[in-house]
Amino acid sequence: AQSVTQLGSHVSVSEGALVLLRCNYSSSVPPYLFWYVQYPNQGLQLLLKYTSAATLVKGINGFEAEFKKSETSFHLTKPSAHMSDAAEYFCAVTNAGGTSYGKLTFGQGTILTVHP
Amino acid sequence: NAGVTQTPKFRILKIGQSMTLQCTQDMNHNYMYWYRQDPGMGLKLIYYSVGAGITDKGEVPNGYNVSRSTTEDFPLRLELAAPSQTSVYFCASRDRFYREYFGPGTRLTVL
Repeated sequence: AQSVTQLGSHVSVSEGALVLLRCNYSSSVPPYLFWYVQYPNQGLQLLLKYTSAATLVKGINGFEAEFKKSETSFHLTKPSAHMSDAAEYFCAVTNAGGTSYGKLTFGQGTILTVHP
Repeated sequence: NAGVTQTPKFRILKIGQSMTLQCTQDMNHNYMYWYRQDPGMGLKLIYYSVGAGITDKGEVPNGYNVSRSTTEDFPLRLELAAPSQTSVYFCASRDRFYREYFGPGTRLTVL
């Protein structure tokens, strides 16, 4: 069984400030972890993924995430927010083995608002 | 390369009507998925397919059916539409690196 919890359904930051979106996971086997972004009225786009290589993963648009097994966390960060980062962000987990067929389990999403 | 395409973009159904949501991908991916997205609930998996002729239920399959006769197409069928099926529906396909590619979605309202 696997699950994802995103802490905070809404996060608000000022332009230029640090962005931190929190994600904790639960998985009975080593997980693969993902962050997706959804802009209004669009489908989801992959930001970055962790699949058991380097624990610090860099993605598109200046985002990065660190896999911390001891904390079962995969928080998403960006040093300096831009207005164009305003969107909804989803953390997701899967594993490659067994009968999961790579099915993703999504968190409930975090809406990021960026103020001028 | 169009990626994943979905039709229609919007649809209003009356209770009890049926419809098919179309999904096509041109990336030759074996794995395809249907999700529904409701506000504050994230995405829930309805059905998935691991290749032509092979489909299986996800987390919330009741009221839906799928088929996969080709690698490219993965239609979702709603029989006897109910207000609880009002949602945004996303189709996705997955590559061998576990990256999912999403379509633009279908916004369905059942009245």
